[in-house]
Amino acid sequence: AQSVTQLDSQVPVFEEAPVELRCNYSSSVSVYLFWYVQYPNQGLQLLLKYLSGSTLVKGINGFEAEFNKSQTSFHLRKPSVHISDTAEYFCAVRTDQTGANNLFFGTGTRLTVIP
Amino acid sequence: GAGVSQTPSNKVTEKGKYVELRCDPISGHTALYWYRQSLGQGPEFLIYFQGTGAADDSGLPNDRFFAVRPEGSVSTLKIQRTERGDSAVYLCASSLNSGTATYEQYFGPGTRLTVT
Repeated sequence: AQSVTQLDSQVPVFEEAPVELRCNYSSSVSVYLFWYVQYPNQGLQLLLKYLSGSTLVKGINGFEAEFNKSQTSFHLRKPSVHISDTAEYFCAVRTDQTGANNLFFGTGTRLTVIP
Repeated sequence: GAGVSQTPSNKVTEKGKYVELRCDPISGHTALYWYRQSLGQGPEFLIYFQGTGAADDSGLPNDRFFAVRPEGSVSTLKIQRTERGDSAVYLCASSLNSGTATYEQYFGPGTRLTVT
C-alpha cells in the first residue's frame, strides 16, 4: 500500500520569501510523484511530476521539487513567492505497476502568502 | 479547449435521499476517475473507468455508491440512501490513457454534496 504524509497543514510566508512544502511517501514498490495546487473554488491543477531521470523537477509558476529516494521525500520549493501563490497544495503518488491507475494524495498544505 | 465539467456545483439533500452527480470529461479522454475529498483531507480514490467499463472500483466505500459511464464519455456517480458522512466534495478527473503516468489527470471543479 502507498501513503503520503504532508507534515505541515499550514505554512504562512511573507511575499518574496522562499518556501518549502514537505512531502514524504511510503511504498513497497516504485512510484511516480506529483504536486497539485488547488485554488479556491477551482479544480486541482498539476504543478509538476517526477517519473524518472533527473531528480530535480521544474514545474509551472516557478516551482520545483526534488525526489530523494533514500529519504522517500519529494519536497516542493519556490525561491520567491507571490500573493497569487496562496492556495492548497497536495502531494500525490502513483505506483508504476501495470494496472495501477489512481493517485494517493496527502492531506494538503495550505500556503498563505502575507503581503 | 473545454476542461472537465461537473454538475451540479453544489447539492444539498436530506439523509436517506438518492443523488446523482455528473461528470463531463475532456473530449477524447478514455480514462475517467472519481475521487472524494472530505473536509481537511486530500482526495481519496473511488472508481476508475477505462472506456465504458469500471476497471477499478476498489475505492467505493460500500454498495450505496455506484457509477456508470454507458457511452464512454459522461459519467454519473450515484449514491443511494445518503448519510451525513457522505458530505464531501466529489471530484472527477480524466486523462488520455491510464496505462502510463505520463498522461496527466485533469480535474474538474468538483461537486460539493451536503447531506442534512
